[in-house]
Amino acid sequence: GENVEQHPSTLSVQEGDSAVIKCTYSDSASNYFPWYKQELGKRPQLIIDIRSNVGEKKDQRIAVTLNKTAKHFSLHITETQPEDSAVYFCAARGSGNTGKLIFGQGTTLQVKP
Amino acid sequence: GAVVSQHPSRVICKSGTSVKIECRSLDFQATTMFWYRQFPKQSLMLMATSNEGSKATYEQGVEKDKFLINHASLTLSTLTVTSAHPEDSSFYICSATQGSYNSPLHFGNGTRLTVT
Repeated sequence: GENVEQHPSTLSVQEGDSAVIKCTYSDSASNYFPWYKQELGKRPQLIIDIRSNVGEKKDQRIAVTLNKTAKHFSLHITETQPEDSAVYFCAARGSGNTGKLIFGQGTTLQVKP
Repeated sequence: GAVVSQHPSRVICKSGTSVKIECRSLDFQATTMFWYRQFPKQSLMLMATSNEGSKATYEQGVEKDKFLINHASLTLSTLTVTSAHPEDSSFYICSATQGSYNSPLHFGNGTRLTVT
């Protein structure tokens, strides 16, 4: 089955700097890659997603890149703000029609004011 | 749109008792719902895929007789933790897709289960 690896596990940046989180996946047939932000005790919130037919997608300060050949995708947050501090999860949806998502281990992002 | 409601948000029960958690899609029909489990400071681990009108598909290592899933309608799935033990204490989160399987997942607020 699908396996998703996420790095780093923790990331600390100064406000205004950029943050990059990377994920790799194992199933070459995976076709959908969302990123979720989870604050303590709350539900994961979708922040951006990318499908396998696209190499890059951007939404204001957030961007995601996908390299299908290497089977990895990355989240880029620019001009970080303290409110960006949270746990971020990448995920991959594998082949087949079940629609299930397999999540990475998570990255705790701390943005220092 | 795409609101998923989960109840209860918190539950404390004694060892040996059973607990039912409800997951509802409020403004869309969810043919498929997913149940995840999350331990503190860990990732979301998929427990099972819940299909309306049929048996749930459990992930490897998840006991189907302990975690009973029922998906009786297109808007409701329930997870019952039977004969709960302290090690079952966790954060349980349901999710559903709106429309096709290729749509984003929307999560419920989660249920914090504590077994004493």
